[in-house]
Amino acid sequence: QLVLTQSPSASASLGASVKLTCTLRSGHSSYAIAWHQQQPEKGPRYLMKLNSDGSHSKGDGIPDRFSGSSSGAERYLTISSLQSDDEADYYCQTWGSGIQGVFGGGTKLTVL
Amino acid sequence: EVQLVESGGGVVRPGGSLRLSCAASGFSFDDYGMSWVRQVPGKGLEWVSGINWNGGSTGYADSVKGRFTISRDNAKNSLYLQMNSLRVEDTALYHCARVAADCSGNSCYIDYWGQGTLVAVSS
Repeated sequence: QLVLTQSPSASASLGASVKLTCTLRSGHSSYAIAWHQQQPEKGPRYLMKLNSDGSHSKGDGIPDRFSGSSSGAERYLTISSLQSDDEADYYCQTWGSGIQGVFGGGTKLTVL
Repeated sequence: EVQLVESGGGVVRPGGSLRLSCAASGFSFDDYGMSWVRQVPGKGLEWVSGINWNGGSTGYADSVKGRFTISRDNAKNSLYLQMNSLRVEDTALYHCARVAADCSGNSCYIDYWGQGTLVAVSS
């Protein structure tokens, strides 16, 4: 079964960097994922697609402060120069066989 | 500008039915697969259902299989979700979402989201 695992919470200081992790279940380490951001009281927003080789393509208007990388079954989202409006929930998402979407449980990022 | 606007949410009794709609604009609707994703207030995102560009292939989460039906009308640039036998646990904000054009095999993902329509199932 295709499963994405995320830590429930993370925190970092204003102006610092943070690296969020999404882990694919064993046997699915070659899968691409997407990262989505959901700010408080807003709908989700697509950030980027991230491939297993670490290459990524970002959505419209996503700043350079957001980047992605991969290592084995882990997919990372790094946010540098943290701003207050980066405080949000971050979800990873992938796709199973046929038409089957899968989301991770989300990571709540607090900017201190 | 890509826009996805959901409608049709409301309050319904357990066992009842509801039909959600999503009006798409700003892109060639019939070139894209589409999905519905829901979110219980305060909880995470749950993928509900998806459909390919011409409606020939569909998929459902186990939690809704046999009760929900996804469909589309490319002439009207619209996506639908027929929800039958609704349960209290179906209460959520339902988002319409576009699946990216380079969707292939396991490399599919959502690249645009609507704001959602709220469904409340309560007696």
